[in-house]
Amino acid sequence: QKEVEQNSGPLSVPEGAIASLNCTYSDRGSQSFFWYRQYSGKSPELIMFIYSNGDKEDGRFTAQLNKASQYVSLLIRDSQPSDSATYLCAVIPSGGGGNKLTFGTGTQLKVEL
Amino acid sequence: GAGVSQSPRYKVAKRGQDVALRCDPISGHVSLFWYQQALGQGPEFLTYFQNEAQLDKSGLPSDRFFAERPEGSVSTLKIQRTQQEDSAVYLCASSLVGPLETQYFGPGTRLLVL
Repeated sequence: QKEVEQNSGPLSVPEGAIASLNCTYSDRGSQSFFWYRQYSGKSPELIMFIYSNGDKEDGRFTAQLNKASQYVSLLIRDSQPSDSATYLCAVIPSGGGGNKLTFGTGTQLKVEL
Repeated sequence: GAGVSQSPRYKVAKRGQDVALRCDPISGHVSLFWYQQALGQGPEFLTYFQNEAQLDKSGLPSDRFFAERPEGSVSTLKIQRTQQEDSAVYLCASSLVGPLETQYFGPGTRLLVL
């Protein structure tokens, strides 16, 4: 089992729709969760981080965390073509792994006109 | 500086050559990380520095990989006797204090070993 799992996609949504990106993680003690966006050929850029159960909203983006289910998601409202990118879920695991981000393989999002 | 910078941006090496990749973190950032990203994969952790101390090198794939940060700012990742499987994008990231803080990534060095 991978430490962080994401559906690789591509996930295609029409412009203006809500895109829902999902991620599960295996380390139950993980405390910090991040969503990065990566355009093709570019480096990852931070979209949001979340530490507590529940929802966290920032503009068109909402991160949702459910530690009991070991599940974190990212919702993008009013999706735009410029949102087309790969979205990486990253976790800082507990214990000795606390020095590093552990990434999923990313979900490719395509927002279609 | 304004962000994390890396050089060179692209590097082509013949198998067996040594390469050195440079990272300039954001000014004042204590923590520095190296990641390796293969095509179609997420970044994978290689090593972590806090100031000049290398606190975690558990992700370095072999003893051909070596990283240093002698003065606690600029870091160099060295790969000796490069192999084709070393071809990847090498990303450097820095954070203000510790590893639990947000990590900001540089543009990466794309290494191709022929």
